[in-house]
Amino acid sequence: AQTVTQSQPEMSVQEAETVTLSCTYDTSESDYYLFWYKQPPSRQMILVIRQEAYKQQNATENRFSVNFQKAAKSFSLKISDSQLGDAAMYFCAYRNAGGTSYGKLTFGQGTILTVHP
Amino acid sequence: DTAVSQTPKYLVTQMGNDKSIKCEQNLGHDTMYWYKQDSKKFLKIMFSYNNKELIINETVPNRFSPKSPDKAHLNLHINSLELGDSAVYFCASSQDWPPGVGDEQYFGPGTRLTVT
Repeated sequence: AQTVTQSQPEMSVQEAETVTLSCTYDTSESDYYLFWYKQPPSRQMILVIRQEAYKQQNATENRFSVNFQKAAKSFSLKISDSQLGDAAMYFCAYRNAGGTSYGKLTFGQGTILTVHP
Repeated sequence: DTAVSQTPKYLVTQMGNDKSIKCEQNLGHDTMYWYKQDSKKFLKIMFSYNNKELIINETVPNRFSPKSPDKAHLNLHINSLELGDSAVYFCASSQDWPPGVGDEQYFGPGTRLTVT
């Protein structure tokens, strides 16, 4: 079974600065997808960024980028120019591209991000 | 228009009762999911339906029964509620099965269930 681990229960950052959230995962599959979701106090789950395991290039979405290290099974999220609206709980998630767990999202424990003005 | 909606948003009930949570998506998606987020914020999939057929069924007590009357709706019925069922339940939907890389899961706003 796949597992996802976020070792930082809480992180904080000053507004306009950069912060990196860590995520590691364990899988025996070679083809899979990785995601970062944001959950603000409103509870709504919002997809921030996604990465295909077969792509070497790291995904970027505006101020959000990832550092995907397939061999190390590491998938960190970098938030640049942090804004107050980035404050939320961030979840790393894994999904197989095939096999018996097809379609199932496996989430990490989450990291609470606080942004200080 | 809300893409994935859930009713109710809050549900407080007593142990032993039976309750249902409804989910509807207007995205035209074929696949729907139920996730449970416990008090420690841990999110775990419970069920998934594709075109009204059950395709993922995690280890969930059989007091939980999903029902999909059509592909736009996936309801969750819970019998004999227990204290440990208190959680936030999220419905989600995605376009296809099997899902491709661009096949994002869209989440509803969640239903906070409190069992007293």
